[in-house]
Amino acid sequence: LAKTTQPISMDSYEGQEVNITCSHNNIATNDYITWYQQFPSQGPRFIIQGYKTKVTNEVASLFIPADRKSSTLSLPRVSLSDTAVYYCRKGSQGNLIFGKGTKLSVKP
Amino acid sequence: EPEVTQTPSHQVTQMGQEVILRCVPISNHLYFYWYRQILGQKVEFLVSFYNNEISEKSEIFDDQFSVERPDGSNFTLKIRSTKLEDSAMYFCASRVSQGQGGYEQYFGPGTRLTVT
Repeated sequence: LAKTTQPISMDSYEGQEVNITCSHNNIATNDYITWYQQFPSQGPRFIIQGYKTKVTNEVASLFIPADRKSSTLSLPRVSLSDTAVYYCRKGSQGNLIFGKGTKLSVKP
Repeated sequence: EPEVTQTPSHQVTQMGQEVILRCVPISNHLYFYWYRQILGQKVEFLVSFYNNEISEKSEIFDDQFSVERPDGSNFTLKIRSTKLEDSAMYFCASRVSQGQGGYEQYFGPGTRLTVT
């Protein structure tokens, strides 16, 4: 089974940059790294996906080192509305296996 | 922006009853999924569906569950005889293709199923 490891929870304050790291030691050659966000009582929402190096979109950046055994989701200047659970996933296709995710709490 | 829709938003049923949860995936998507999330727990995969047949299913998806794409737009999950432990949020998701990098799935808002 695909396995990733990430912190259970993180706290931050508004305006700070938040970095959430995910470990995926047994990543396969054709696996991509994908991050999802979930608010309470809502479905997971795709944030960003990458294969290696750095990917940036309007919401976040994703850093993947050369060995691809980990990845870091970076949220610039978080706001209260970024309080959610963030899931890291590795894979190439098929169903998503979600871990427990990282519960990010942003405080004023 | 196109989105996955699900109906109803909340379904209350008695134990032993049949329920059908409905989903309308994004129109040009080819892969469809059902997931569930018991309150306070992680999202769990149930089943994936492609080309009018199940492509993968989890051990949760036993004989009590079935999926169907009755027409060109709807994708349904049926639970034949509900149990108390089926109470959960059920999410439908869809994905456009299996191409390189195109693996993001788009989730619906969910149906909260309460079995009493």
